[in-house]
Amino acid sequence: EAQVTQNPRYLITVTGKKLTVTCSQNMNHEYMSWYRQDPGLGLRQIYYSMNVEVTDKGDVPEGYKVSRKEKRNFPLILESPSPNQTSLYFCASSLGRKEYNEQFFGPGTRLTVL
Amino acid sequence: SQQGEEDPQALSIQEGENATMNCSYKTSINNLQWYRQNSGRGLVHLILIRSNEREKHSGRLRVTLDTSKKSSSLLITASRAADTASYFCATDGYWDDKIIFGKGTRLHILP
Repeated sequence: EAQVTQNPRYLITVTGKKLTVTCSQNMNHEYMSWYRQDPGLGLRQIYYSMNVEVTDKGDVPEGYKVSRKEKRNFPLILESPSPNQTSLYFCASSLGRKEYNEQFFGPGTRLTVL
Repeated sequence: SQQGEEDPQALSIQEGENATMNCSYKTSINNLQWYRQNSGRGLVHLILIRSNEREKHSGRLRVTLDTSKKSSSLLITASRAADTASYFCATDGYWDDKIIFGKGTRLHILP
């Protein structure tokens, strides 16, 4: 089954404790992306990757890191989480061609930073 | 900075009626997409319209795009209870590879 998986689905942590949210897709997609969703703000892009070893900042990259060492995986790293990073996070992937860029979304990771 | 803005923010209609929601954006785009989200779950792609297209249909969905006004509309005809969800537009930038989502319209279909 074609899908995007994220882990963990729920995470409660404390300020400053490094964490990683994993994202994996099985569709051989080139484009992968991370978003955060906050009430009243819609989805905001954190980072995206056009292909292996190619990553770029989205609109809200501060406080986050990503890596793309393999095509299927795109982990999101919070090296020193803060309470303002409490949010619902989504990973998504797509073929990456401009003419058709339908994104497939993971189920989301609800992060709480105390 | 976000460029997609949907209106209205919330919409309640009777089952069977048509629902229309609008999206405006600020810069040149390659294509515009509409997504649906049920209760904090992952988004589901509904339809994509390219910048050189003016109208597109998919089942009960009709999307229009006016690049001169930098706006799009999503029409859902003969609404059903299952259409209750949040709807988002997303634009694929012409000059970069960012994807910008709007804040969404919450649609509630009344029985």
